[in-house]
Amino acid sequence: GAVVSQHPSRVICKSGTSVKIECRSLDFQATTMFWYRQFPKQSLMLMATSNEGSKATYEQGVEKDKFLINHASLTLSTLTVTSAHPEDSSFYICSARQGTGNQPQHFGDGTRLSIL
Amino acid sequence: RKEVEQDPGPFNVPEGATVAFNCTYSNSASQSFFWYRQDCRKEPKLLMSVYSSGNEDGRFTAQLNRASQYISLLIRDSKLSDSATYLCVVNNNDMRFGAGTRLTVKP
Repeated sequence: GAVVSQHPSRVICKSGTSVKIECRSLDFQATTMFWYRQFPKQSLMLMATSNEGSKATYEQGVEKDKFLINHASLTLSTLTVTSAHPEDSSFYICSARQGTGNQPQHFGDGTRLSIL
Repeated sequence: RKEVEQDPGPFNVPEGATVAFNCTYSNSASQSFFWYRQDCRKEPKLLMSVYSSGNEDGRFTAQLNRASQYISLLIRDSKLSDSATYLCVVNNNDMRFGAGTRLTVKP
């Protein structure tokens, strides 16, 4: 089955630090990758959609200068949380989709980010 | 109105019970539908796709009613390992998730 790897799985760092999260599709080429965040006992919230080689499309209310997304290849997307603050602490999950919009997404393991 | 609505539960059922989850969606142009399962502090995993003709995978049956914009998931002979949150997902080029229905299967 489709495998998506996300790294790191856990990050604890000081306020003001920038944190980069990687998302890789290991056995397929991901036309589109998605970034979500999830607060405890809440649903996944889509942050942005990225297509390889083009700028990410951000959801309303998500600051693009705060959450930098780069989708440089068909197997790698990165999310950088710039100058992170405690309110950025959350569970961040990427997903990848091969082909058209009707295909399911496959999720990475998620990154638990804690900003002190 | 939320794009995808689910009863959050929790559903607490004994082993062997049959349990059904429902989900409604607001965008009539939605193209594909899925059920995902998410365990606590883990990523969602695809459980099954949902087709208009209905589909079954072992103890799991999914149904779609486009006219009513309604999706269901039926779990028969529930196991302890079925305890999780079940996410209804509606896809129209990007996926929209329901808030999830929490299921606990007890011995």
